[in-house]
Amino acid sequence: QKEVEQNSGPLSVPEGAIASLNCTYSDRVSQSFFWYRQYSGKSPELIMSIYSNGDKEDGRFTAQLNKASQYVSLLIRDSQPSDSATYLCAVRDNDMRFGAGTRLTVKP
Amino acid sequence: ETGVTQSPTHLIKTRGQQVTLRCSSQSGHNTVSWYQQALGQGPQFIFQYYREEENGRGNFPPRFSGLQFPNYSSELNVNALELDDSALYLCASSPGQNEQYFGPGTRLTVT
Repeated sequence: QKEVEQNSGPLSVPEGAIASLNCTYSDRVSQSFFWYRQYSGKSPELIMSIYSNGDKEDGRFTAQLNKASQYVSLLIRDSQPSDSATYLCAVRDNDMRFGAGTRLTVKP
Repeated sequence: ETGVTQSPTHLIKTRGQQVTLRCSSQSGHNTVSWYQQALGQGPQFIFQYYREEENGRGNFPPRFSGLQFPNYSSELNVNALELDDSALYLCASSPGQNEQYFGPGTRLTVT
C-alpha cells in the first residue's frame, strides 16, 4: 500500500513565525510532489510543486524535497493569520495520492 | 479561481439511488481526475480520464463510473448509493500528468 503521511496537527504558530510542515511517502518511484492549501469548506488550492531534490522558493513558501529520505516539506515564512488552513501533501507516480493534511493555525 | 467548474454544488440522495456529477475542465486541459474527500481526510483518487479514455483508477468499486467528452468535460456516476458515499466530490483538471487544479466540489449527502 502506497502511503503519504503527514502530522495531523493542529500546528499552531504565532504571526510572523516560520511554519514547518512535513510529509513522508512510501513509494520510491514517485516523481512529482505537490502542496495544496485547503480552507474549511473549500476545495484544495495548489500552492507549490517540486520535482527534483533540493529547495524551491515561491514568495513566502519554500518546498524542500529529499528523495533518498522520501521526505518533502513546506516552510511558510512570516506566517499570517490568513495562512490558517489545512495543508495537503500530494505525491504522484501513476496516480495522485494525498496525505490526510496538517491543520495550521496562525495566531495574531 | 481555477476555471474548473462543477455542478451541482450540493446534492441530497437516498440510499440505493443513482447520482451524476459534472465537471468542466479548465481551457486547454485534456486530463480530468475525480476524487472523494471524506470529512477530515485527504482526497482519495477515484479515476482519471485522458482524451476520453480512463487511464487510471483508484480502489473504488465498479458502481463508480465516469465519462469524458470531446470538449474534455467529465461526469462521475455513482450507482446504488450507500451512506458511506456521503462526501465532497472533487474534480481536478490538468494539462498533462503534473499540476492538477481543483474545482469547487460537489457535496453529496446520502440519507
